[in-house]
Amino acid sequence: AQSVTQLDSQVPVFEEAPVELRCNYSSSVSVYLFWYVQYPNQGLQLLLKYLSGSTLVKGINGFEAEFNKSQTSFHLRKPSVHISDTAEYFCAVSAGNNRKLIWGLGTSLAVNP
Amino acid sequence: GAVVSQHPSRVICKSGTSVKIECRSLDFQATTMFWYRQFPKQSLMLMATSNEGSKATYEQGVEKDKFLINHASLTLSTLTVTSAHPEDSSFYICSAPWTETPYNEQFFGPGTRLTVL
Repeated sequence: AQSVTQLDSQVPVFEEAPVELRCNYSSSVSVYLFWYVQYPNQGLQLLLKYLSGSTLVKGINGFEAEFNKSQTSFHLRKPSVHISDTAEYFCAVSAGNNRKLIWGLGTSLAVNP
Repeated sequence: GAVVSQHPSRVICKSGTSVKIECRSLDFQATTMFWYRQFPKQSLMLMATSNEGSKATYEQGVEKDKFLINHASLTLSTLTVTSAHPEDSSFYICSAPWTETPYNEQFFGPGTRLTVL
C-alpha cells in the first residue's frame, strides 16, 4: 500500500522569501508523484508531476520539485514567494493501474507581506 | 488541457431533502470518475469511483445508499446525497482521469459546497 506524509501542516513565510514544502511517500512499487494547489473555495490545480526521467521537475507559477528515490521524498520549492501563493498544497501519489490518488493531508502556505 | 465542470457550485438545502451534484468532462470522455469529500482545512477523502455503465465502487465506510452515484454516459457522473443531514455539509469534488495520458493525471472539477440546514 502507498502512503503520503506532508510533514508540515502550516508554513508561514514572508513575501519574496524562499519556501520548501516537504512530502515523503512510501510504496513498494514505482509511483507517479504530483503536487496540487487549492486556492480558497476552489478546486485543485496541478502544479507539477514526476513520471520518470529527470528528478528535477518544473511546474507552473515558478514552483519546482525534486524526486529523491533513496529518501522517498518529493519536496516542493519556490525561490521567492508572492502573496498570491497563499493556498493549500497537496502532495499525491499514484501507483498501479487503478488510477487512484493517495493524498497527503496538505500544507497551508501563508505568505505574509 | 482537459476540463471538468461541476454543477451546482453551491447548494443550500433543508435537512431530509436530496441533492444532486453533476460532474461533466467537457472535452474528453471519462469511463471513470472519482468523487471526493473535503472537510474544512482537511485533505480530500475519496468516497467512490464512478464507472460508466456499471456500479460505482465505494470506499470503506461510505454509505452506498446515502451517496448514490450514477455514471450514465461517458461525460457525466452524478452524486446524489439522499436525505441530507447537517453532517453531510461539506465540499464535494469530482475528478476524471484523461485516458490520453499513460499516468494518472486527473482533472478536477471546481467543487460543490453543500450546506444542509
